[in-house]
Amino acid sequence: DAGVTQSPTHLIKTRGQQVTLRCSPISGHKSVSWYQQVLGQGPQFIFQYYEKEERGRGNFPDRFSARQFPNYSSELNVNALLLGDSALYLCASARAGGGPYEQYFGPGTRLTVT
Amino acid sequence: DQQVKQNSPSLSVQEGRISILNCDYTNSMFDYFLWYKKYPAEGPTFLISISSIKDKNEDGRFTVFLNKSAKHLSLHIVPSQPGDSAVYFCAARGAGGTSYGKLTFGQGTILTVHP
Repeated sequence: DAGVTQSPTHLIKTRGQQVTLRCSPISGHKSVSWYQQVLGQGPQFIFQYYEKEERGRGNFPDRFSARQFPNYSSELNVNALLLGDSALYLCASARAGGGPYEQYFGPGTRLTVT
Repeated sequence: DQQVKQNSPSLSVQEGRISILNCDYTNSMFDYFLWYKKYPAEGPTFLISISSIKDKNEDGRFTVFLNKSAKHLSLHIVPSQPGDSAVYFCAARGAGGTSYGKLTFGQGTILTVHP
C-alpha cells in the first residue's frame, strides 16, 4: 500500500501570498492531521480532520485553514504568508480520529517564504 | 509551555551497545505515548507506542518504559546499529476534549551510532 503522499515537495512563496498544500492519506485511513515543523524543533499540531469535520485545532492564527474531501484527502491553506511561516509542513493519517491508532506521516512539503 | 520535553539534544553510542533516549511530560491528560524516528528529507516514521495504563512495551530491539509517577518515558534500543542514527521524537497523544488525538512532540534527540 502507498504511504501518505504530499504535494508539492518544495515551494517558494513571497510574503503576503497564499499557498495551498495537499495530502492524500493511506488507503482506509479517515483521519488527517497537519503539523508544522520549524528547524530544530518537533512538529507542532495545526489541525485534525476526521470524516470531513474539524476535530482539533492547534494554536495557529486564522490565516491557517484546512479542509477534508469525501475521498479523505486534505488541503492546508495559509493566507498572507509571513517569513515565520517558512517550515516543513507534515501531513499524518490514521485509521480513526482517536483510539489506539498511530499516526503515519508523509514526507512533508518544504515551504520557504522570502 | 512545553508539555513534552527531550532534554538531551544529542546522544552518541557505540554499535552493539544500548541507546537510551529520555522524555518528560507535564500534562497527565495523555492516553498514549509514541516514539518516532526521522531521517533528513523524510517525514517521521512511527516506531513504538505505549498506553498510559502500561509501564512497558517491547517490539524487537525497541522497548519503551513509562514511569507515570515521574511523568517520564524512555526508549531503549538494544543492540544499537549504525542505521539507527536519526532524530528521535517522543510524542504524547491528547486523551480528551479539544486535544483528543492531537500529538504533542518533544524537541527531538539526535542519535548517532558509531561503527
